[in-house]
Amino acid sequence: GDSVTQMEGPVTLSEEAFLTINCTYTATGYPSLFWYVQYPGEGLQLLLKATKADDKGSNKGFEATYRKETTSFHLEKGSVQVSDSAVYFCALSDAGNMLTFGGGTRLMVKP
Amino acid sequence: NAGVMQNPRHLVRRRGQEARLRCSPMKGHSHVYWYRQLPEEGLKFMVYLQKENIIDESGMPKERFSAEFPKEGPSILRIQQVVRGDSAAYFCASSPMAVSNQPQHFGDGTRLSIL
Repeated sequence: GDSVTQMEGPVTLSEEAFLTINCTYTATGYPSLFWYVQYPGEGLQLLLKATKADDKGSNKGFEATYRKETTSFHLEKGSVQVSDSAVYFCALSDAGNMLTFGGGTRLMVKP
Repeated sequence: NAGVMQNPRHLVRRRGQEARLRCSPMKGHSHVYWYRQLPEEGLKFMVYLQKENIIDESGMPKERFSAEFPKEGPSILRIQQVVRGDSAAYFCASSPMAVSNQPQHFGDGTRLSIL
């Protein structure tokens, strides 16, 4: 079946540092890939998405590129802020439409 | 433009009681998904519904759990005879169509605590 693996956290960075959160997937078909962010006590918010190979999703300074050859969708941001502290989830959606999530990566940004 | 509305936000039940979780999808969305999040874990798919139909319930436990999405009113996730292991956050998501590249929009969740 489909699965998503992302790096375990917590990831602790200083403000303005470079962020990478690794995500790899296995899927039988041609999935769409998503990054969601969850702030404490809230639901998940869509951060960005990519629907086919070599697509780059971007939003609020975050980027991720759909790499079919390495089955990866790593999240990057050039300069993190304290307000980026949250839990980040990589997810895929295949033919069945439901989302398959990774375990989440907690990011803590210190001033 | 109201988002996905879930209620209650917090629900406390004693073992053996019933829990009913409600979800109103975004306006214009006819596809509803329920996910469960155990503490410090990712979300796990439970069930996918369209109006009056269960499309996929492969992630839902066979016993004690049921879901519905009636023609009128919110989607309901029902847990009978709750046990401690049911303590989790339950999230509902909706989408306007059944296409895998359409993002799902999530509610803020119901946090269920079993005493």
